[in-house]
Amino acid sequence: AQSVTQLDSQVPVFEEAPVELRCNYSSSVSVYLFWYVQYPNQGLQLLLKYLSGSTLVKGINGFEAEFNKSQTSFHLRKPSVHISDTAEYFCVFPLSGGGADGLTFGKGTHLIIQP
Amino acid sequence: DGGITQSPKYLFRKEGQNVTLSCEQNLNHDAMYWYRQDPGQGLRLIYYSQIVNDFQKGDIAEGYSVSREKKESFPLTVTSAQKNPTAFYLCASRDRENTGELFFGEGSRLTVL
Repeated sequence: AQSVTQLDSQVPVFEEAPVELRCNYSSSVSVYLFWYVQYPNQGLQLLLKYLSGSTLVKGINGFEAEFNKSQTSFHLRKPSVHISDTAEYFCVFPLSGGGADGLTFGKGTHLIIQP
Repeated sequence: DGGITQSPKYLFRKEGQNVTLSCEQNLNHDAMYWYRQDPGQGLRLIYYSQIVNDFQKGDIAEGYSVSREKKESFPLTVTSAQKNPTAFYLCASRDRENTGELFFGEGSRLTVL
């Protein structure tokens, strides 16, 4: 069975500091992985996605993530955060053609930027 | 521009009333989903549909109903049987043919008075 674990429910960071939001997965099949961001009272929007190829993936708003197969991780990073990055971040594991809805969501990490 | 439209954005309901949340997409996706989100919690799947005229229950389907008569539309009815309907509801469609990416609407916030 596949699963996604976001290790931190809340991450407080000072403005302009670097941040890493952690995501680990478990799966016995080929992996795609996504990170989504949700601003208050809005839907989710795609930050970045890993499908294949380069393990370092760059997304919108200066975020990037590295797919690490040996550690089964897909951590999200940003070298310098801004107050506008305050949001909820979800790691998502889609399995195209998978059973049921074929989707596994992490429980989310609330990124809190402190001035 | 292609996307997903949810309406209404905010909705108030008295106890005992049914309400229907609209979800329309023009992305030509076969798969559509309804999620419920409560404060501080992740997304929980209510119903999903992988093709017109077919849908399946998710993890928390009790007290909800859906229909999928058209590819573009996947309305959700919150019935009076739902014990705690106050929540933020998100609709999504999925590009299953390519990357499996989900596209979300802006959400509908339902408050029961």
